[in-house]
Amino acid sequence: EIVLTQSPGTLSLSPGERATLSCRAGQSVSSSYLAWYQQKPGQAPRLLIYGASSRATGIPDRFSGSGSGTDFTLTISRLEPEDFAVYYCQQYGSSLSFGGGTKVEIK
Amino acid sequence: QVQLVQSGSELKKPGASVKVSCKASGYIFTSHAMNWVRQAPGQGLEWMGWINAGNGNTKYSQKFQDRVTITRDTSASIAYMELSSLTSEDTAVYYCARWRGTGWIDYWGQGTLVTVSS
Repeated sequence: EIVLTQSPGTLSLSPGERATLSCRAGQSVSSSYLAWYQQKPGQAPRLLIYGASSRATGIPDRFSGSGSGTDFTLTISRLEPEDFAVYYCQQYGSSLSFGGGTKVEIK
Repeated sequence: QVQLVQSGSELKKPGASVKVSCKASGYIFTSHAMNWVRQAPGQGLEWMGWINAGNGNTKYSQKFQDRVTITRDTSASIAYMELSSLTSEDTAVYYCARWRGTGWIDYWGQGTLVTVSS
């Protein structure tokens, strides 16, 4: 199983600021199989990014994904109030795994 | 529209088993695998396993290999997850989640809270 490590654990930022979230894999992951999800309290996760850099349907363009191999990044260019949430990366190799999550909180 | 509707909350005693259902609608059930993912209180997401809804083949996380069984009823478009030998550490919200087939999950159920307590 490929282990995904997300950092930082918590990101304290103000609305309008840029958020940069990291996801590091214990071994190389195909970019096709790297996804990001957003989860708000009491809700199921929501797909944001698939294939490392493609936005899911209805996702605003302030969300972007990048990276390859073992290092992937989710960037939120300008934080809106509704973006404060927990973000998870996920990979699919021989099996599926999630990172531990990054909480983006209001500073 | 795609919907995944899960069964209601469960309260179980240690050592018991629980079976959670997930009824799918809005798409061809047998065309997509179904994952089961759980989330303990205040914790992250943990993949448990999946089932190919077409042929019934399953793949389980090594962590749950000995205790989880995922099945499906194609006539009713329902996927099931059964977890045995429950302990308090199994207290969590359990989600079914549709596999896009090319590397990601595109739809999630609303979650089922399973509480294990004596």
